[in-house]
Amino acid sequence: QKEVEQNSGPLSVPEGAIASLNCTYSDRVSQSFFWYRQYSGKSPELIMSIYSNGDKEDGRFTAQLNKASQYVSLLIRDSQPSDSATYLCAVNGANDYKLSFGAGTTVTVRA
Amino acid sequence: DAGVTQSPTHLIKTRGQQVTLRCSPKSGHDTVSWYQQALGQGPQFIFQYYEEEERQRGNFPDRFSGHQFPNYSSELNVNALLLGDSALYLCASSLSNEQFFGPGTRLTVL
Repeated sequence: QKEVEQNSGPLSVPEGAIASLNCTYSDRVSQSFFWYRQYSGKSPELIMSIYSNGDKEDGRFTAQLNKASQYVSLLIRDSQPSDSATYLCAVNGANDYKLSFGAGTTVTVRA
Repeated sequence: DAGVTQSPTHLIKTRGQQVTLRCSPKSGHDTVSWYQQALGQGPQFIFQYYEEEERQRGNFPDRFSGHQFPNYSSELNVNALLLGDSALYLCASSLSNEQFFGPGTRLTVL
């Protein structure tokens, strides 16, 4: 079983719609959770971090964490063509310095 | 405020050669991590340096080694290059949990 799994893409959404990205992780003691955005040919850019259960909102992005279900999600509201990218979920365990990444979900926002 | 910088941007090597990649962390950051990202995959952790010591290592062979200097910059060395080492090599710097990536070095091994 992979440490971090993301829903397979690609995900295509119309402009203005909500894009929903899901991620599950296997290590129950994981403590820190991150979403990175990676444009084609570029490096990952940190867009959200979340550490406790519940929702965290930042502009058009909302991260949701449910540690009991070992599940973290990212919602992108009012999707724009500039949101077209691969979104990577990353998890950091207790007493663990590394980030474990999922394979990423590619989102395409069509105008 | 300069972000994370890496050099070179691109590199082409042949099998069996050795390569050194360089990274300067974001101002104020003291920790550097290295990742390898193959096409279509998420980054894979190679190792992390803190206080000039390797603090944690991922599942990479000893051909991969590193160093951190007193100014917190870091190098990644790969010996005896294999075709499978072709990838984007990412450096990330941090002060706490959040890691910020540099632009990466694209290594092609022929």
